[in-house]
Amino acid sequence: AQRVTQPEKLLSVFKGAPVELKCNYSYSGSPELFWYVQYSRQRLQLLLRHISRESIKGFTADLNKGETSFHLKKPFAQEEDSAMYYCALSIMGNTPLVFGKGTRLSVIA
Amino acid sequence: DTGVSQNPRHKITKRGQNVTFRCDPISEHNRLYWYRQTLGQGPEFLTYFQNEAQLEKSRLLSDRFSAERPKGSFSTLEIQRTEQGDSAMYLCARGWDTGELFFGEGSRLTVL
Repeated sequence: AQRVTQPEKLLSVFKGAPVELKCNYSYSGSPELFWYVQYSRQRLQLLLRHISRESIKGFTADLNKGETSFHLKKPFAQEEDSAMYYCALSIMGNTPLVFGKGTRLSVIA
Repeated sequence: DTGVSQNPRHKITKRGQNVTFRCDPISEHNRLYWYRQTLGQGPEFLTYFQNEAQLEKSRLLSDRFSAERPKGSFSTLEIQRTEQGDSAMYLCARGWDTGELFFGEGSRLTVL
């Protein structure tokens, strides 16, 4: 079965510092990977997906099939980036998303 | 706006009671998903519908859980004989062929 691992429950960084939220997955084929974000008191929403290769709110993520990773990065953290971040995987868009347990990002002023 | 409305937003019930949650996509949409989220966990898949057909059910979905989507529009998730372990946020989402999900705000269940 597919599995998504986010090794850090909590990540605290200072404002302006670089951010990297780790995500590793277990699947031997070509998965589709996503990052979702949940701000305080808001619904879970899509941040970005690897297939679109776009940057959203300054965040990027690169799929590394060799390391089976999809880490989320931002060069300069902002206070408004504080939220829960979830990595998720689907197989060819045909299977329900499998989510990791999430990482809480706290950006300290 | 994801176009997914969930009701009720919060339900408090006593153990052993039945509860029903409703999910209304604003517009008709082929795929509709139910997930459950407990404290410290990511969303866990429960079941999904393609139009009115229930195509997949997780083993998390015990026989006390039933979901329906009559006419391929709104969906209901019923939990019979609730247990304290059922306390969670129940999330409904519209799904796309790309695998993306657009979630509603969820229905929080508290079983006393």
